[in-house]
Amino acid sequence: EAGVTQSPTHLIKTRGQQATLRCSPISGHTSVYWYQQALGLGLQFLLWYDEGEERNRGNFPPRFSGRQFPNYSSELNVNALELEDSALYLCASSEGQTNTEAFFGQGTRLTVV
Amino acid sequence: GQSLEQPSEVTAVEGAIVQINCTYQTSGFYGLSWYQQHDGGAPTFLSYNALDGLEETGRFSSFLSRSDSYGYLLLQELQMKDSASYFCAVKRGGATNKLIFGTGTLLAVQP
Repeated sequence: EAGVTQSPTHLIKTRGQQATLRCSPISGHTSVYWYQQALGLGLQFLLWYDEGEERNRGNFPPRFSGRQFPNYSSELNVNALELEDSALYLCASSEGQTNTEAFFGQGTRLTVV
Repeated sequence: GQSLEQPSEVTAVEGAIVQINCTYQTSGFYGLSWYQQHDGGAPTFLSYNALDGLEETGRFSSFLSRSDSYGYLLLQELQMKDSASYFCAVKRGGATNKLIFGTGTLLAVQP
């Protein structure tokens, strides 16, 4: 069974551009979480999607947005990129709202220059 | 709001036992999880506690005290491959469901 897959693995953008990151959850999982991990730091909660709806978001500006598709895959969009957006973006999926275990993808390393 | 606190770094020797503590402040507490992350890799699930007490899974055990808003991860018979970052994470329930992570503890196992 395939795990959580994220694409691309690496992404280099310039300031002001937009970035789109993609995540495919484990088959059967309906919840998708997005996290930002700056170098050497912890995981900062960005967004949570479940059953196609945005259920919660962390303390990030509106230029961080996303969506979840009918097949439960998800997309994270970051507009007007800033240098401090450079980080590892991790996606995780779980079976549902009450499931206690989340499975992570390998992440997308976003570098803004 | 919510917050989780962990020590930033812990160093131990092979074969030893190490305890990584986590204190949290949050509303709507559902349970406490632990994840391991090797450098640059994906975090992997280690354990979950919803009720007070100790959960044991091989060399790893996790403890929770809901009344003290405190938990810990206990690693026994340390091996070099245990060198990694360890994150506690609070699971909040219901409409506010999200998994909030602590800042992580970097464990260095020395020979």
